[in-house]
Amino acid sequence: EVQLLESGGGLVQPGGSLRLSCVVSGITLSRYGMSWIRQAPGEGLEWVSSISGSDSTTYYGGSVKGRFTTSRDNSKNTLYLQMNSLRAEDTAVYYCAKGWRRLPHDYWGPGTLVIVSS
Amino acid sequence: DIVLTQTPLFLPVTPGEPASISCRSSKSVSDNDDGNTYLDWYLQKPGQSPQLLIYMLGYRASGVPDRFSGTGSSTEFTLKISRVEAEDVGIYYCVQRIEFPLTFGPGTKVEIK
Repeated sequence: EVQLLESGGGLVQPGGSLRLSCVVSGITLSRYGMSWIRQAPGEGLEWVSSISGSDSTTYYGGSVKGRFTTSRDNSKNTLYLQMNSLRAEDTAVYYCAKGWRRLPHDYWGPGTLVIVSS
Repeated sequence: DIVLTQTPLFLPVTPGEPASISCRSSKSVSDNDDGNTYLDWYLQKPGQSPQLLIYMLGYRASGVPDRFSGTGSSTEFTLKISRVEAEDVGIYYCVQRIEFPLTFGPGTKVEIK
């Protein structure tokens, strides 16, 4: 059974940093592209970033490019999202999902809440 | 960026009756090389993570009831529920995967009348 579990969310001040983790079980992470997708309170879904399975090429949405970095540790079957220079508008539930541009997002974690506030 | 619009944004439904949601793309999401249309549908039930319903225009995801179907062209798409059940309430999103940035529609909230 494929399972994804995010962690690392919390309250952070504007300008601060946070690193989210997504532990994946039931699949070999290195074989699949993965994505981070977020949802601001009461809002819709917004794609944040994806990483390819083959060569770990990363892609970012315009609102986070240059501030967020996606990476993976295949030995730990874990996906990461390093978030720097956080802004109030980054407040959201962050989901990791198995899938990317060429694969549908067929498995999602429960999400982790990030609140950026002073 | 590709913009997806959905109609309606709110859909009251009657159990046992059919329902449909439309999604329109600002440009084609069909790949001329492989012939696939990279448009998926998700349902986010209240308090839950989104779940995949339909991928690549018309393929049902594993475990999805056959009352759900997806059709369309390269820019206009429809999700149909043949007979709505109470468990189908939630917000439905279309998403395109033909190019980065991946973009989602605004969502259609489905509620029981």
